[in-house]
Amino acid sequence: EPEVTQTPSHQVTQMGQEVILRCVPISNHLYFYWYRQILGQKVEFLVSFYNNEISEKSEIFDDQFSVERPDGSNFTLKIRSTKLEDSAMYFCASSVGFSSYNEQFFGPGTRLTVL
Amino acid sequence: ELKVEQNPLFLSMQEGKNYTIYCNYSTTSDRLYWYRQDPGKSLESLFVLLSNGAVKQEGRLMASLDTKARLSTLHITAAVHDLSATYFCAAPTGNTPLVFGKGTRLSVIA
Repeated sequence: EPEVTQTPSHQVTQMGQEVILRCVPISNHLYFYWYRQILGQKVEFLVSFYNNEISEKSEIFDDQFSVERPDGSNFTLKIRSTKLEDSAMYFCASSVGFSSYNEQFFGPGTRLTVL
Repeated sequence: ELKVEQNPLFLSMQEGKNYTIYCNYSTTSDRLYWYRQDPGKSLESLFVLLSNGAVKQEGRLMASLDTKARLSTLHITAAVHDLSATYFCAAPTGNTPLVFGKGTRLSVIA
């Protein structure tokens, strides 16, 4: 069964460093998302992406964040200058169509630890 | 702005007992999702409720949706230890693909 994959599973970085989290969405899906979950808290929407551009973003997704689909399969989240409070689990998701009408499928997550 | 409220946030159940988790949402949404999350793991889709009155069952779990009351329930029948996990409900809005509740941490004890 097709699934969303994410790499790395765990990333440790120093504050101020740049990190890139990678995702491979399900191949026939057209909408891609990033969510984050700070330890013990709820899952929060960051950004959605369709047709090579951001379609929605939350207040959390500020100028230090960016997303890209560099090729036909990968979808990346870049955090330019990491802060301690960026430590969280980051989930990628994809859906075949627009999110309100189509189920999103989540990847296994990348645990980001900022020291 | 859509708000999704779950209760209870923590639930300790004895094996064999029944219980219901409630999910209220604040604005109109015609569908509702339930996810299960084990510690340190991803979100596993449990139910997709697509219309008012929808009811779905899988094993000991049954979910329902009342869009008029803006309420979804997740009913657990005869709990077993394997059901211990955190359960999230989530609803889509026009501007935000999914708004999640805070989750209900379920612990089933012998």
